[in-house]
Amino acid sequence: NAGVTQTPKFQVLKTGQSMTLQCAQDMNHEYMSWYRQDPGMGLRLIHYSVGAGITDQGEVPNGYNVSRSTTEDFPLRLLSAAPSQTSVYFCASSPAGANVLTFGAGSRLTVL
Amino acid sequence: QKEVEQDPGPLSVPEGAIVSLNCTYSNSAFQYFMWYRQYSRKGPELLMYTYSSGNKEDGRFTAQVDKSSKYISLFIRDSQPSDSATYLCAMSADNYGQNFVFGPGTRLSVLP
Repeated sequence: NAGVTQTPKFQVLKTGQSMTLQCAQDMNHEYMSWYRQDPGMGLRLIHYSVGAGITDQGEVPNGYNVSRSTTEDFPLRLLSAAPSQTSVYFCASSPAGANVLTFGAGSRLTVL
Repeated sequence: QKEVEQDPGPLSVPEGAIVSLNCTYSNSAFQYFMWYRQYSRKGPELLMYTYSSGNKEDGRFTAQVDKSSKYISLFIRDSQPSDSATYLCAMSADNYGQNFVFGPGTRLSVLP
């Protein structure tokens, strides 16, 4: 099983550009979430979903959009990239009612 | 004051040493406590999961939770160079699978 797959692994954007980070899981997990990881800050929750068609905001949602049309996929869209969005982004999934996150390998984004 | 505090290290120990990693927190509602291990350029992976106060042992790893002091620890016995990684503590007040607060991580190096 692949687990949680994120693409791309690396991306460089210019300020103002938009892009989508892809996330797919093959474990039939109900919950999916996006985190960003910055030095000294820990992982911070951007958006999460408890099932297809249901999304909600986390701690740092501004500048990001998500949608969940299927159980497997949970893309994260950057609407107009800013240098403050330079970070490593992790997608994670977990079964409903369980605090057991499975993370992807991460997507490293640089905004110039 | 951050909700979860963790010494960022780096912490360097010789192979075979006992390692103690710690986190303190301020929210008394936290009941679920986790330790994640993150190798360089990889996603975090769940190492230990405990509920409420007490100890949990898994091989060379022991997790301790002291809710009265708002303090959790991870002990690694007979440390190996393969234990070199960043260790993240995480905690939650519920088991809904998305309301985690992560510490910033402690970087550990085990020297052969």
